[in-house]
Amino acid sequence: QQQVKQSPQSLIVQKGGISIINCAYENTAFDYFPWYQQFPGKGPALLIAIRPDVSEKKEGRFTISFNKSAKQFSLHIMDSQPGDSATYFCAASILTGGGNKLTFGTGTQLKVEL
Amino acid sequence: DAGVIQSPRHEVTEMGQEVTLRCKPISGHNSLFWYRQTMMRGLELLIYFNNNVPIDDSGMPEDRFSAKMPNASFSTLKIQPSEPRDSAVYFCASITNPGNTQYFGPGTRLTVL
Repeated sequence: QQQVKQSPQSLIVQKGGISIINCAYENTAFDYFPWYQQFPGKGPALLIAIRPDVSEKKEGRFTISFNKSAKQFSLHIMDSQPGDSATYFCAASILTGGGNKLTFGTGTQLKVEL
Repeated sequence: DAGVIQSPRHEVTEMGQEVTLRCKPISGHNSLFWYRQTMMRGLELLIYFNNNVPIDDSGMPEDRFSAKMPNASFSTLKIQPSEPRDSAVYFCASITNPGNTQYFGPGTRLTVL
């Protein structure tokens, strides 16, 4: 059962452009929504995360937009750079009593071209 | 901090052989997770432990897979007997509980011939 749906599967963006990755979830009990970044040959690493009590969170060039009523959230990468080329995973979990068990989306391979 | 340590980094074995993957979580972290990553299925949670106790093993694909955490600083994932469809990258991650961020190890790339 796929509880977190992620799109697109792959994305090519020109340097300086905006990268947008979308996710949708089904379980309304989820209360923590992180994005992980994975470079080839490495494990995923936390990039940015949001709780459902806010609609947006920004850290540098990375922004999460969250729409609770639509059960959707997205990652925006502003001024995309070649070093951002990686696979991005959205995820969701239930923090309280949920054991921090993450449900991951299927991943988006981002390539930023010069 | 050394981060999550996994060994071996690469494992090539033949079908039917026993495979043991090892993980050392970050010191002080009390929850540990085992994941499997493939192109077809993405990142799948296999099992996780809280305070060395298995909490949810619903992701373990079949009885050929088993995991143990004998103490707070060591865990193993064993596959016996291994099959070619087990070929994947296996990740271990740890987290403080309560806590938000899972820290992943570098993974073990398993190839079963």
